[in-house]
Amino acid sequence: DIQMTQSPASLSASLGETISIECRASEDIYSNLAWYQQKSGKSPQLLIYAANRLQDGVPSRFSGSGSGTQYSLKISGMQPEDEGDYFCLQGSKFPLTFGSGTKLEIK
Amino acid sequence: QVTLKESGPGILQPSQTLSLTCSFSGFSLSTSGICVSWIRQPSGKGLEWLATICWEDSKGYNPSLKNRLTISKDTSNNQAFLKITSVDTADTAIYYCARRPPGSPHWYFDFWGPGTMVTVSS
Repeated sequence: DIQMTQSPASLSASLGETISIECRASEDIYSNLAWYQQKSGKSPQLLIYAANRLQDGVPSRFSGSGSGTQYSLKISGMQPEDEGDYFCLQGSKFPLTFGSGTKLEIK
Repeated sequence: QVTLKESGPGILQPSQTLSLTCSFSGFSLSTSGICVSWIRQPSGKGLEWLATICWEDSKGYNPSLKNRLTISKDTSNNQAFLKITSVDTADTAIYYCARRPPGSPHWYFDFWGPGTMVTVSS
């Protein structure tokens, strides 16, 4: 199975701050990576797919980058509504696997 | 408008079989490229992909659950199903169904249901 190592596990950011979350795959996943935001009690919402493609309706302050085994999600200018948990998902090989998650809070 | 909604028993006892239903609208599981997957999330923990079924009836399972999973679909009624045999307390989780969008070479899920909570307890 492809292991997805996500960091940090938690993060506290001030309003307007730019933050990054990383996912490292145990092997090359050829940009088959998606990022999700999950708010408390809700299902995950797709932010980014194919490593760097913004899902329709997602604010442009969210961006994704990376290739090979290293990927990152950037939020340029933290907003109150960005609080929540963030997960990466690799879709390169079955079984599909998720990162362990990052809890993002407002400082 | 794409929507999915999961339903299940809520609570069941160890060793029983868990049966889940995903009812969806806004797309068809007979459309080329469409797949529906099941994913679960124990309380306060991460996500685990369980199984996928696609329009041409291909199926994929997470080997970590060995032979306990069976996924199926009813295309006419826009439903997908998941059975998990011999449940125990470790199967307590929120269970989601989600759609893989058509036409994409990448595997990801664009729409998710709200989830259904399943508790295994004696």
